[in-house]
Amino acid sequence: DAGVIQSPRHEVTEMGQEVTLRCKPISGHNSLFWYRQTMMRGLELLIYFNNNVPIDDSGMPEDRFSAKMPNASFSTLKIQPSEPRDSAVYFCASNLGQGVEAFFGQGTRLTVV
Amino acid sequence: GENVEQHPSTLSVQEGDSAVIKCTYSDSASNYFPWYKQELGKGPQLIIDIRSNVGEKKDQRIAVTLNKTAKHFSLHITETQPEDSAVYFCAASPAGGTSYGKLTFGQGTILTVHP
Repeated sequence: DAGVIQSPRHEVTEMGQEVTLRCKPISGHNSLFWYRQTMMRGLELLIYFNNNVPIDDSGMPEDRFSAKMPNASFSTLKIQPSEPRDSAVYFCASNLGQGVEAFFGQGTRLTVV
Repeated sequence: GENVEQHPSTLSVQEGDSAVIKCTYSDSASNYFPWYKQELGKGPQLIIDIRSNVGEKKDQRIAVTLNKTAKHFSLHITETQPEDSAVYFCAASPAGGTSYGKLTFGQGTILTVHP
């Protein structure tokens, strides 16, 4: 397996624009997590899914953020409208559930200018 | 919710020395404690993990210890090498319920190994 695949790797957008980040989890994994990494706040869990169903979105900072998982092999994180403070590296991770290794993608570096 | 504290934030050692990173957690229900290594421009990668029914685990130069009573766990790297230089994160995962393996991370430790 190629691991968790995220796209794009880098995204630069202007304030106010819509941004969509994409993730393909490892085949067979039933849990998917979206994390945001910044210098100030470290790695924060935004939302996670189990069997394509959102379980906990309490980490999503504002209504401008939304995430979907239409099927077991694809998830999106959308920011609309984007703001400069959304600039960060966004990671997607997947695993087989509790107590086992979570595999991370390479991340998407988002810059909002 | 779970809160994980990690120390030190930076650690500088000479090649061949040992490095120790410590973490504490708050939720007594947590039972899975992985350590991740993150190199520049990459995602975190698991290097070792420990579960609450084990006090210590070793894998070559890396070892992790867990004290559930005190709610702390530590990463030990012996005979450090320059390629060990990276950011290291501890994490904790709660048991049961709807956690499905979600991880709460510490703030990270920047380890620099000088040749």
